[in-house]
Amino acid sequence: ETGVTQSPTHLIKTRGQQVTLRCSSQSGHNTVSWYQQALGQGPQFIFQYYREEENGRGNFPPRFSGLQFPNYSSELNVNALELDDSALYLCASSLQRPPDEQFFGPGTRLTVL
Amino acid sequence: GQQLNQSPQSMFIQEGEDVSMNCTSSSIFNTWLWYKQDPGEGPVLLIALYKAGELTSNGRLTAQFGITRKDSFLNISASIPSDVGIYFCAGQYSGAGSYQLTFGKGTKLSVIP
Repeated sequence: ETGVTQSPTHLIKTRGQQVTLRCSSQSGHNTVSWYQQALGQGPQFIFQYYREEENGRGNFPPRFSGLQFPNYSSELNVNALELDDSALYLCASSLQRPPDEQFFGPGTRLTVL
Repeated sequence: GQQLNQSPQSMFIQEGEDVSMNCTSSSIFNTWLWYKQDPGEGPVLLIALYKAGELTSNGRLTAQFGITRKDSFLNISASIPSDVGIYFCAGQYSGAGSYQLTFGKGTKLSVIP
């Protein structure tokens, strides 16, 4: 059984640029959630995708957007990057129904200069 | 965004000692989960709790879901050096069909051999 994978591992961007992060869910899981983890903090929920549709969103602006593909993999896109977007971005997969635990990938470390 | 109240923030203990940490919330949750995160890695699920009052063990780890559904604790018995890391509690509420997790700020555990 393959776990959750994310790419790239690290990324450096400058303010105003756009970035795309990728996630492959664990085998058999149909729900993907994205979290932002700032240094020294717990992860913060960005949004969740189920069957290719957004299924819940946290307190993040519209410049954070996502996609889920038919194979349940997912992308997180961030436009107009700001310095405060520097963080570890985590992807978690789960079974939507019945409710199940969320299993996390290793994360993508984004640095915005 | 909202974060749960997790305490203590950090602790230094001698190898072999027992450890206790807890988490409280102003909101109720349907599920409580405990994760461990090592530097540069994603959180790894340790224990999941589904019912108020439930007490669950996983090896040397024991966790309980509070009766009020607003709190949970995690105990680690006979600590060993590999227990070092950051422990996060997370609450999950399944209302409105989204299974987002709300995390605490973490408890950083250091074990002195």
